[in-house]
Amino acid sequence: QVQLVQSGAEVKKSGASVKVSCKVSGYTFTRYDLNWVRQATGQGLEWLGWMSPNSGNTGYAQKFQGRVTMTRNTSISTAYMELSGLRSEDTAVYYCARISSSGWYYYFDYWGQGTLVTVSS
Amino acid sequence: DIHMTQSPSSLSASVGDRVTITCRASQSISRFLNWYQQRPGKAPKLLIYSASSLQSGVPSRFSGSGSGTDFTLTISSLQPEDFAAYFCQQSHSTPYTFGQGTKLEIK
Repeated sequence: QVQLVQSGAEVKKSGASVKVSCKVSGYTFTRYDLNWVRQATGQGLEWLGWMSPNSGNTGYAQKFQGRVTMTRNTSISTAYMELSGLRSEDTAVYYCARISSSGWYYYFDYWGQGTLVTVSS
Repeated sequence: DIHMTQSPSSLSASVGDRVTITCRASQSISRFLNWYQQRPGKAPKLLIYSASSLQSGVPSRFSGSGSGTDFTLTISSLQPEDFAAYFCQQSHSTPYTFGQGTKLEIK
């Protein structure tokens, strides 16, 4: 079965960087783009960007341009999201999500369990 | 960016009730609209894609409708496991954006 398993919780100081991993199984890693979405406690969902595991191409939300980097290691079917220049507002649960399509319609059909990133001053 | 507005932000209902949640886009998004359910402490789960297509394995009491800017998610007969948060999301263009969520609570 399809699974996305993320790395464990992180506590970071303001200004530091964090790198979250997302290991997939149950399907061919390079066939589906992966996206990253975050959620502050009690808040809504915010999209950070996408990555093609096949080509390595990426697209980031303008809000995170210059601070976020999405990469992958195809040999171990793992995607990474690194966020730099952390501030308290970045405290959130970060999710990886597979994006699938039906024709031109795209949707997030599988999600990781989430990784809590806490930024302290 | 396309702004998504959900209403209501919270809703109290009883088991067996029929409930409807509304999502409005700031511009036309055709049928590029998805719905997710999120239980506390869990990742979102896809319910509906392309406005009205039921994701495999999702009970038929869930249905979606709409196109353009106005969309609805309907649960025909609430079950205990349906009390959760619901989010709409547009996939018309990046950045993909979500509604602020609707929390469905037991009356």
